[in-house]
Amino acid sequence: RKEVEQDPGPFNVPEGATVAFNCTYSNSASQSFFWYRQDCRKEPKLLMSVYSSGNEDGRFTAQLNRASQYISLLIRDSKLSDSATYLCAVETGGGNKLTFGTGTQLKVEL
Amino acid sequence: DVKVTQSSRYLVKRTGEKVFLECVQDMDHENMFWYRQDPGLGLRLIYFSYDVKMKEKGDIPEGYSVSREKKERFSLILESASTNQTSMYLCASRKRHEQFFGPGTRLTVL
Repeated sequence: RKEVEQDPGPFNVPEGATVAFNCTYSNSASQSFFWYRQDCRKEPKLLMSVYSSGNEDGRFTAQLNRASQYISLLIRDSKLSDSATYLCAVETGGGNKLTFGTGTQLKVEL
Repeated sequence: DVKVTQSSRYLVKRTGEKVFLECVQDMDHENMFWYRQDPGLGLRLIYFSYDVKMKEKGDIPEGYSVSREKKERFSLILESASTNQTSMYLCASRKRHEQFFGPGTRLTVL
């Protein structure tokens, strides 16, 4: 089983839709969780951290479910500019390194 | 703004050549990382370093070595490049929980 797994997509959604991605992780000792966004031919950039209590940043909401070992990202009112690949990342190995999922591709269409 | 720079955006080398990929960060970060990114496989950690002259193997270190003589610079070395090392190479440095990536080097080994 992979350490971090994501549905690769693509998720094709109309503008204005709500879309959710999940990411599962295998190491129950993992402490920190993140969502990164990667635009085509660009480097990944941190979108948001995922806290136990969940966190919200505008149209984006991230949640953690430790019991089931997954994190989620919810995007409300999707914009064309949200089209990108979303990578989840889990901190493992004593906190020095991140393990990334393979990414979920989102395409927002008119 | 944190800046992570990589020496080349595109590089073409021949099988058997020794290849150096350079990465420099300007924010005095202790932790630096080298990943490769391939379609369907996502970001995979090759090596990381948490201090000058310190290095740790990541998930796929075979065929690679690294050097960290100065805090701001982390080099990835392919001792004898092979065609299966054709990939996008991404360097990153880390401050607390946020990991900053360089723009990537697209390496093609012929």
